[in-house]
Amino acid sequence: EAAVTQSPRSKVAVTGGKVTLSCHQTNNHDYMYWYRQDTGHGLRLIHYSYVADSTEKGDIPDGYKASRPSQENFSLILELASLSQTAVYFCASRTGSGQLYFGEGSKLTVL
Amino acid sequence: GEKVEQHESTLSVREGDSAVINCTYTDTASSYFPWYKQEAGKGLHFVIDIRSNVDRKQSQRLIVLLDKKAKRFSLHITATQPEDSAIYFCAASLSNTGANTGKLTFGHGTILRVHP
Repeated sequence: EAAVTQSPRSKVAVTGGKVTLSCHQTNNHDYMYWYRQDTGHGLRLIHYSYVADSTEKGDIPDGYKASRPSQENFSLILELASLSQTAVYFCASRTGSGQLYFGEGSKLTVL
Repeated sequence: GEKVEQHESTLSVREGDSAVINCTYTDTASSYFPWYKQEAGKGLHFVIDIRSNVDRKQSQRLIVLLDKKAKRFSLHITATQPEDSAIYFCAASLSNTGANTGKLTFGHGTILRVHP
């Protein structure tokens, strides 16, 4: 079974602080993604990557940076966390046929 | 950009009945339409997908229909069971290969409740 592991699973951050969400996959997939989910809404794409050391902007990249130091690891960085970034964040990797494997999510609360 | 509208916010069915969730999309270039299931407190899990070269696909109790003319696709769950209770998300993308895949546009989700 393909595996995507996120950490931390839950975090409380202060406004203006730095937050790093980490994602690790053991699927040997090239593509990885960061999505955010807001209550009552679908998922929106923040950043994605198809190769180590390269990242691409998704639909809502403002306020976020991403880092892909290796095929297995993909991080989402909030340099200056804001209240509006309170959400659940999901990492996913993708098979060759297009199927996404999601992590369990990281719940971020910014106070 | 693409917009995906999921028409049912909640759906309640009796165990054994069928459930139907409908989605529409706006971009005629979209060609890949997956469905994902999310159980409480969990990540999303792939359930079934359909590509624009077919109009129907079935996997056990799941049937996906695609009407390209109407830009509409639907998920049919037959003989529902309590374990089908979850949030279901439809999504669309330009293709299922290359950089476009995974750049999915999701609907807002449908809460499905299957009761005895």
